[in-house]
Amino acid sequence: EIVMTQSPATLSVSPGETATLSCRASQSVSSNLAWYQQKPGQAPRLLIYGASTRATGIPARFSGSGSGTEFTLTISSLQSEDFAVYYCQQYNNWPPVTFGPGTKVDIK
Amino acid sequence: QVQLVESGGGVVQPGGSLRLSCAASGFTFSDYDIHWVRQAPGKGLEWVASIRYDGSKKYYADSVKGRLTISRDNSKNTLYVQMNSLRAEDTAVYYCARKGAAAGDFHWFDPWGQGTLVTVSS
Repeated sequence: EIVMTQSPATLSVSPGETATLSCRASQSVSSNLAWYQQKPGQAPRLLIYGASTRATGIPARFSGSGSGTEFTLTISSLQSEDFAVYYCQQYNNWPPVTFGPGTKVDIK
Repeated sequence: QVQLVESGGGVVQPGGSLRLSCAASGFTFSDYDIHWVRQAPGKGLEWVASIRYDGSKKYYADSVKGRLTISRDNSKNTLYVQMNSLRAEDTAVYYCARKGAAAGDFHWFDPWGQGTLVTVSS
């Protein structure tokens, strides 16, 4: 099973600043990596798939990069609606699909 | 629009059973693999089970193998999961989620349903 880790666990950012979230896989997942956003009481929402492709309707301030074992989600010019928990997920070797433990982005 | 709606959650005693449903609309249900993902209160996301578009193959997490059975009825555009021998650690919001694209074996999830809460408690 591929283990996903995320850092930091919590990221405090001021509105308008840039947030950089990291995700690491225990072995290579090629570019088969997705990012999700989850707000309290809501289901996760797909942001990025294929490590760098934005899902339909996702603003351009969200960008993904990386391949192999190291990945980054960058949120530029943070808006109030971007404060949430972000999860990465690998789908290169499944089952099982595996998720990272999440990074909470909160207001500084 | 593309939508998944779960139902069937509730409170059940340890050792009990429950069947969850996931009704799909807005897309050709029979073209897509579908997954169940759960989230314990205050915790992260855990993949639980998957079923191929035609029901030909089913996959389970080790934590639920032998206790959960995933199925689908493509004529009713509905996914099911039968949950038996439930334990306290099965308490979670259960989401159904569609494979993002019909073609290829790339299992990102989009969309997700709103989730249904299962509470296992005496």
